[in-house]
Amino acid sequence: EIVLTQSPGTLSLSPGERASLSCRASQSVSSTYLAWYQQKPGQAPRLLIYAASTRATGIPDRFSGSGSGTDFTLTISRLEPEDSAVYYCQQYDSSPLTFGGGTKVEIK
Amino acid sequence: QLQQQESGPGLVKPSETLSLTCIVSDDSISSSNYYWGWIRQPPGKGLEWIGSIYYSGNTYSNPSLRSRVTISVDTSKNQFSLKLRSVTAADTAVYYCARWPSSARAFDYWGQGALVTVSS
Repeated sequence: EIVLTQSPGTLSLSPGERASLSCRASQSVSSTYLAWYQQKPGQAPRLLIYAASTRATGIPDRFSGSGSGTDFTLTISRLEPEDSAVYYCQQYDSSPLTFGGGTKVEIK
Repeated sequence: QLQQQESGPGLVKPSETLSLTCIVSDDSISSSNYYWGWIRQPPGKGLEWIGSIYYSGNTYSNPSLRSRVTISVDTSKNQFSLKLRSVTAADTAVYYCARWPSSARAFDYWGQGALVTVSS
């Protein structure tokens, strides 16, 4: 099973700042099979990024994904108050499909 | 816009079977372009993939749950279902159904989620 480790656990930043969220895999993951989700309290997760760097429909361009192999990053270029949420990475390069433990982004 | 809705009992007794159905608002469940999945989230914790199904009936499930899980599809009713047997308190979670396009290899549409509590 591929274990995804996300860091930091919590990120506290001000509006307009840049956020970098890390997702590290226990073994190499094809970029095709790496995705990022945003989850706000009481809501279902929302797909942000798939294939490591492709934004899903309707996702603002301040969200971007990058990385390859075992290291992937979600970047939010200019934080807005509505970006306060937990962010999860997910892989399906090999079964079982797994999610990271999440990074909580707090807006000061 | 596609909508999905989970339905089923919110309370299940230990050792019994949890049953949920996801109704899809259009007939995309019969499309060869999509898989359909179940994901759960215990209160205050992260996400766990339970399993997925294709319109043909082919299923894929998490080895950690495989012995207790059955996922089925009914294309005539635009729905797919989850059964989880021999539940314990550890199975208490919000259960989500979601769509997986072959092109994206990620879950792009999610239901609102259904909280299922296992308790006597």
